[in-house]
Amino acid sequence: QQPVQSPQAVILREGEDAVINCSSSKALYSVHWYRQKHGEAPVFLMILLKGGEQKGHEKISASFNEKKQQSSLYLTASQLSYSGTYFCGNANMRFGAGTRLTVKP
Amino acid sequence: GAGVSQSPRYKVAKRGQDVALRCDPISGHVSLFWYQQALGQGPEFLTYFQNEAQLDKSGLPSDRFFAERPEGSVSTLKIQRTQQEDSAVYLCASSLVGGYNQPQHFGDGTRLSIL
Repeated sequence: QQPVQSPQAVILREGEDAVINCSSSKALYSVHWYRQKHGEAPVFLMILLKGGEQKGHEKISASFNEKKQQSSLYLTASQLSYSGTYFCGNANMRFGAGTRLTVKP
Repeated sequence: GAGVSQSPRYKVAKRGQDVALRCDPISGHVSLFWYQQALGQGPEFLTYFQNEAQLDKSGLPSDRFFAERPEGSVSTLKIQRTQQEDSAVYLCASSLVGGYNQPQHFGDGTRLSIL
């Protein structure tokens, strides 16, 4: 079963922060985050393997609450290059429908 | 380059024809995944290989879909008797070691259009 992502889309101004959520109705043993720009291949951001684990990638970080079966991706001081669609995936490589992030100047 | 290479980039076929899509993973990568991505959706898992062994084919939508990786490197996804709902981008990804919990490197995909 696919994880559910929210919001579906978000528009930011450069420098603003955003949070993307990923939840599952079944147990989440791990969470994978990828970013895909239009017409390009998805690019790996991070994997969270343990409940409570937090990881960071540049100004992008994520948390994983295994008990609540959810993960959140945090984008701080967003840059134009952060624009794209963000996908979360579970341990069985089932991905959510994505969150489209647009960063405007 | 040293990335995952997929060919062809674009494929147009008439309904009922068979198609074959190729994936060249990064050299030495043990794991290989195939995904189907419809417009505006996330990648949908199709199948997983560890070396030449197809360990998971639970995502293949029907028996018209078949994948192989006979020598543990190049993989081919074959779709028989194509239908319009098969139109999508087919993505291939590889990772260095076995298992699902590893960073995956994706190719640019093959855009398949069924007329």
